[in-house]
Amino acid sequence: AQKVTQAQTEISVVEKEDVTLDCVYETRDTTYYLFWYKQPPSGELVFLIRRNSFDEQNEISGRYSWNFQKSTSSFNFTITASQVVDSAVYFCALSEAGRDDKIIFGKGTRLHILP
Amino acid sequence: DTGVSQDPRHKITKRGQNVTFRCDPISEHNRLYWYRQTLGQGPEFLTYFQNEAQLEKSRLLSDRFSAERPKGSFSTLEIQRTEQGDSAMYLCASSSTGTEIYGELFFGEGSRLTVL
Repeated sequence: AQKVTQAQTEISVVEKEDVTLDCVYETRDTTYYLFWYKQPPSGELVFLIRRNSFDEQNEISGRYSWNFQKSTSSFNFTITASQVVDSAVYFCALSEAGRDDKIIFGKGTRLHILP
Repeated sequence: DTGVSQDPRHKITKRGQNVTFRCDPISEHNRLYWYRQTLGQGPEFLTYFQNEAQLEKSRLLSDRFSAERPKGSFSTLEIQRTEQGDSAMYLCASSSTGTEIYGELFFGEGSRLTVL
């Protein structure tokens, strides 16, 4: 069965520090997609990134970077030089594409960036 | 802005009453998802539609829950004989199909249900 585990419930860092959010997933499929979503204090979830199971290249977008490692079933998210506006709950998610396309979310990591 | 809209935003009801939530997706999106989120938890998948067809239902969706998407446009989620355990934020999301945009869900602000 598909499962997403975000072991870090809550993290606090001081502004400008780097922070990594961990995500470990389980799936029976060889074809799947992984996602990260952000839920700011306003409440609306916002899509950040998608990665398919055949693309293990790391991705960087500004201060955000993602490290996908199939060998450890992990899809970690790093924020470099964190800012107060990064404070939010971050969710990792998984979809077994081709099976049923439903997207399953982890429980999230609440990130506090302290000024 | 024509994002995903949900109505009502807040609903307080007494146990045993029926409630209905409405979701209007982004107009060109053919997929529509319902999730439930409780405090401190991630969104839990309930069901999703492709056009008017309901393709998947979670085991979380008991017989008291029913969702429809007539004509493949807006969707309703009805909860009958509400229980206190139904108190949660009900989230609606929509998306298009297509490999390049797969899984990019656009969420509404949610409908918060409180069952007394």
